[in-house]
Amino acid sequence: NAGVMQNPRHLVRRRGQEARLRCSPMKGHSHVYWYRQLPEEGLKFMVYLQKENIIDESGMPKERFSAEFPKEGPSILRIQQVVRGDSAAYFCASSPDRTNEKLFFGSGTQLSVL
Amino acid sequence: SQQGEEDPQALSIQEGENATMNCSYKTSINNLQWYRQNSGRGLVHLILIRSNEREKHSGRLRVTLDTSKKSSSLLITASRAADTASYFCATGSGGGADGLTFGKGTHLIIQP
Repeated sequence: NAGVMQNPRHLVRRRGQEARLRCSPMKGHSHVYWYRQLPEEGLKFMVYLQKENIIDESGMPKERFSAEFPKEGPSILRIQQVVRGDSAAYFCASSPDRTNEKLFFGSGTQLSVL
Repeated sequence: SQQGEEDPQALSIQEGENATMNCSYKTSINNLQWYRQNSGRGLVHLILIRSNEREKHSGRLRVTLDTSKKSSSLLITASRAADTASYFCATGSGGGADGLTFGKGTHLIIQP
């Protein structure tokens, strides 16, 4: 049973480009969470999605960031017109239900903006 | 500030010793969880303790929760080199309508 799969593992973008981060949850999991981690920091909640629905996006920046979790395919975190401050590790986690009592994390995508 | 704040920020001990990490939080919670993160990897769930529980064990892990002080501790007994990692506490407010709130973590180094 494959765990949470994130790709790419490393993504390099120049300022102004778009970044697309993908997350395939564990089999049978329909709840996905995205977190951002800066060096030496804890994880900051960004968005919580269920299939085809955004449940809580209170941690998402108001501009340039969007997320989706379509009926088919992985969840996508999209960052438009990236800036240097977007450089961070982005982690996806999934759970089988909405109790958030145990999250399963992917290995993350390290985004570097030049 | 962070809902969960771990203390100490870094801890270095000899293999075989016990390691204790603390976590304080500010608002009411439904549960508190501890996760481990190895360098460059995602977080791994270790243990969950509910707000109506005071202590919980899992293998070499022991977690306590004091809701009156809004604090928790994680004890790792008989530490091993493989326990070297960052440890985060995370609080859940219940209902699952939001993500867990993580602290900044304690970086634990086990000296062989």
